[in-house]
Amino acid sequence: DTAVSQTPKYLVTQMGNDKSIKCEQNLGHDTMYWYKQDSKKFLKIMFSYNNKELIINETVPNRFSPKSPDKAHLNLHINSLELGDSAVYFCASRPTTGAGYNEQFFGPGTRLTVL
Amino acid sequence: AQSVTQLGSHVSVSEGALVLLRCNYSSSVPPYLFWYVQYPNQGLQLLLKYTSAATLVKGINGFEAEFKKSETSFHLTKPSAHMSDAAEYFCAVSRSGNTPLVFGKGTRLSVIA
Repeated sequence: DTAVSQTPKYLVTQMGNDKSIKCEQNLGHDTMYWYKQDSKKFLKIMFSYNNKELIINETVPNRFSPKSPDKAHLNLHINSLELGDSAVYFCASRPTTGAGYNEQFFGPGTRLTVL
Repeated sequence: AQSVTQLGSHVSVSEGALVLLRCNYSSSVPPYLFWYVQYPNQGLQLLLKYTSAATLVKGINGFEAEFKKSETSFHLTKPSAHMSDAAEYFCAVSRSGNTPLVFGKGTRLSVIA
């Protein structure tokens, strides 16, 4: 009964490769996000999607391309990986109506290591 | 623009002592404020949130926080620390219910036996 799930949990890859991280939520939420947590634990928003539409792109390099095939999924594809992309990536979701509409639910994170 | 400042990147307390983690925010509009906890190698769990209702907010695991508009603060407290409270704590702000969170840099809480 996992609420927000991410795969894989760990991802180790070489510079220059292309990789994807998947996120799924079974909460029926309309809005989903990607956050990046760097090596100093600083968390920053990358993208925000509402009903499969991109709402926010926080000056993320265009090597990062989110894709939302449906409201329950928000995947993150990264081209030409760089050392600086090493981080933990968190997916989150939020309902747009109802009692908990201002609360974000986070996935367990994907630790990406670029060698 | 909104921002969050967490004073002290590392706080160490003895087991049974008061926990106080400080958070100050900057916001041009009445904010929504949150405290999240992150245990090692895990995701973020919501401890509590302020959404313009009661200024004293009670959360899970015995934590509470008080919203003080005059001080632009939302400090997190717990009367008696347990070893299991050792974790990273993040304060976050959003302009409204439907905007992304802006996080502080986090405070690592250590609890000494």
